[in-house]
Amino acid sequence: DAKTTQPPSMDCAEGRAANLPCNHSTISGNEYVYWYRQIHSQGPQYIIHGLKNNETNEMASLIITEDRKSSTLILPHATLRDTAVYYCIARSGSARQLTFGSGTQLTVLP
Amino acid sequence: DSGVTQTPKHLITATGQRVTLRCSPRSGDLSVYWYQQSLDQGLQFLIQYYNGEERAKGNILERFSAQQFPDLHSELNLSSLELGDSALYFCASSGGGQGAREQYFGPGTRLTVT
Repeated sequence: DAKTTQPPSMDCAEGRAANLPCNHSTISGNEYVYWYRQIHSQGPQYIIHGLKNNETNEMASLIITEDRKSSTLILPHATLRDTAVYYCIARSGSARQLTFGSGTQLTVLP
Repeated sequence: DSGVTQTPKHLITATGQRVTLRCSPRSGDLSVYWYQQSLDQGLQFLIQYYNGEERAKGNILERFSAQQFPDLHSELNLSSLELGDSALYFCASSGGGQGAREQYFGPGTRLTVT
């Protein structure tokens, strides 16, 4: 799986959009970009994934650049409950496990 | 609620002992994964089972073993416990085949070895 790089921490004001960047410059063509989050020692929670196209679900939007070397997870209206560590993972279609990095600690401020 | 259950929530035991952690996957999911999260190592993959068979191994110690039963629940056995085994242990499950599908995590078991 390609290495991903994320900022260690970010702050966001409650009600504003949180934009979490991820760099995956060595990603290969068959690797998906996955996002998970972990709220204070709870089990990681799946958010969204994509291959080439932008994706949106009820939780977030995923924007992948055309060259696929980076992506951005967007939480459109952040709430205090979105405070968590967010993990960006590049994972091939045949991979079995998830390889977690250090992630980004997002703190939503009131 | 992910639909994945893990028991017990907390476990405190002494060095040298053996413990068993249990995981029930989401209904219909055939794959079960075990992960360990310690303060210094982060979240690390240990092992995967698919429909009762071991399919992938990660950084799992020889003192640790796992199995998946016909009803698809899984157990992780940790023996000759050391202080460094203190960690959160998560189970995850995914549906259908063996490839890249989203994994759903349980609430974890917090193991403290004293």
